[in-house]
Amino acid sequence: GENVEQHPSTLSVQEGDSAVIKCTYSDSASNYFPWYKQELGKGPQLIIDIRSNVGEKKDQRIAVTLNKTAKHFSLHITETQPEDSAVYFCAASIGGAQKLVFGQGTRLTINP
Amino acid sequence: GAGVSQSPSNKVTEKGKDVELRCDPISGHTALYWYRQSLGQGLEFLIYFQGNSAPDKSGLPSDRFSAERTGGSVSTLTIQRTQQEDSAVYLCASSLGGRNQPQHFGDGTRLSIL
Repeated sequence: GENVEQHPSTLSVQEGDSAVIKCTYSDSASNYFPWYKQELGKGPQLIIDIRSNVGEKKDQRIAVTLNKTAKHFSLHITETQPEDSAVYFCAASIGGAQKLVFGQGTRLTINP
Repeated sequence: GAGVSQSPSNKVTEKGKDVELRCDPISGHTALYWYRQSLGQGLEFLIYFQGNSAPDKSGLPSDRFSAERTGGSVSTLTIQRTQQEDSAVYLCASSLGGRNQPQHFGDGTRLSIL
């Protein structure tokens, strides 16, 4: 079945530096790729998403890139701030359907 | 505006008991999803409802798990004869109908089986 691999599992960066999280997926029919931020004790919060008809999308300090040929997509956070510390999950739609398969998560720590 | 609401936020029960978890989706959202998140893990799809269509139950791990959605709004996830491996956070999400619509999550129910 569909599988999403996410790397790294933990990431520590200095405040102000950039952070990059990468995901690969297996189902070539996947066409929707959201990213979620999860804080302790809370549900995942959608921060950005991309559809397969575009290669890049940006929203202020957050950007996502998609390479459909290689079946990978990445989250880029620039000018990191302490409040960016959280667990981040990538996801991919299953065979173009509405349900999502998630990566295992990346624990991002921003050091002041 | 009101987001996805789940209750209870925490549930502790003894092995073998049945539990019911509730989800109130965002008003106007026709699609509703249940996921399970084990400690330190990603989210695992369980089931989803889309309007009046038959639900996609392909992610339910055993026949002890069932879910219903009454009146196209509130949903209940039921786990019968709970086992310790059922301990997890159960998350509900809702979205507008159709493919590739953003899913918005509640804060989940943390279920602990003693």
